[in-house]
Formats: sequence, structure tokens, C-alpha cells
Amino acid sequence: EDQVTQSPEALRLQEGESSSLNCSYTVSGLRGLFWYRQDPGKGPEFLFTLYSAGEEKEKERLKATLTKKESFLHITAPKPEDSATYLCAVQARETSGSRLTFGEGTQLTVNP
Amino acid sequence: NAGVTQTPKFRVLKTGQSMTLLCAQDMNHEYMYWYRQDPGMGLRLIHYSVGEGTTAKGEVPDGYNVSRLKKQNFLLGLESAAPSQTSVYFCASSYSRGGGNQPQHFGDGTRLSIL
Repeated sequence: EDQVTQSPEALRLQEGESSSLNCSYTVSGLRGLFWYRQDPGKGPEFLFTLYSAGEEKEKERLKATLTKKESFLHITAPKPEDSATYLCAVQARETSGSRLTFGEGTQLTVNP
Repeated sequence: NAGVTQTPKFRVLKTGQSMTLLCAQDMNHEYMYWYRQDPGMGLRLIHYSVGEGTTAKGEVPDGYNVSRLKKQNFLLGLESAAPSQTSVYFCASSYSRGGGNQPQHFGDGTRLSIL
């Protein structure tokens, strides 16, 4: 059974204070690892897909990295508008319908 | 672009009542999904569809039925609502090409309370 564990559950940062969110996973052959951002009262918004260990992707202050067992979402010099819940999900190679298994998310708060 | 649209946005039901949640997407996606999101549980897949006229069970299908009569629409039905079905329901859709790994695009959810 595919499993995704995200840590920490919640993180409070001061504006400009860089940090990382962790996503540990077990999957029977990884097809892709996905990062989403979710704002209160909204649906998840796609950020990145990572496919293989060693891959990195960047978008503004966010950088996602991938190893064989975990992924990190690095947030550099965050701003209050980066406050959101960040979700990690995996897709197994043999899954039908491109199904995803999600973690519970990390709730990030950036104080001004 | 509307993307994925869910209706209604909010609903309160009494135990035993039935209702249908509607999801519509305008991106010509082949795959569609229904999730529920509960505190401390994350997003869990209820049912999904890989094309018009096809549906399949996800992780938590009991108490729900689905239909996909048109490619752009995916309906989620609760035949006899129970308090345990109080949740936020999200619909998503994605392309099927590329052997999978296409990102899913989500609607903004339906907040359902069962009294």
C-alpha cells in the first residue's frame, strides 16, 4: 500500500526565515511525486511534479527536490502570501487512472 | 477559463436524505476524480473515472455512487446521507496522455454537513 507522511504538521516562520517541508513516501514504483498548495476554502493548486531521484524544480521562492525515499519543499525568504497548506502526493507506476495518494499536508504560516 | 466547477458550494442535509454533487470540467480531460477531505485524514479518493461511461472505486467508496454520462461531467451521489459523510468534497480532472503523471486540477469543493 502506498503511503505518504508529511512533516511537520504545522510550521510558523517569520517573513524572510527560510525552511523546508518534508514528504516521506513508500510506493511500489514511483511514477511521479506531486506538490500542491491549498489556500483556506479553496481546492489544491498544482505546483510541481518530480519524476526521479535527484530531480529539482523551482518556482519563485519554492524549490522541490526528490530522493528515493523523500521529497523536500524548500521555501527561501518566505513572504506572508506563502501562507497555505502544502500537500504532497505520489503516483505509483502500476496504478490505473493516474490515481494519487496524498499526505495530510503541512500548514505553513508566515508572519510579517 | 472556468477549469473545474463544483455545485453546490455548501449544503446541509438531514440524516437519510439523498443528494447529488455535480462536477463539470471544460478542459477536455479524460480522467475525473472525487475526493473527500477531513481534518487529520488528508484527501481520500472516493471514486474515479477514466472515461465517459466508466467508473471505478477508490479508497473510500462505501455510501457513494457516481456516474459519468458525459465526458465533461462527473456526478457523486449520496443515497442515504449519514453524519460520517460530513466533509469537504473535491472533484479533480486530468489528461490521460503521457502514460499518466499528468497533474490533477481541482475544483474549490463542496462543504457538506449531515445533521
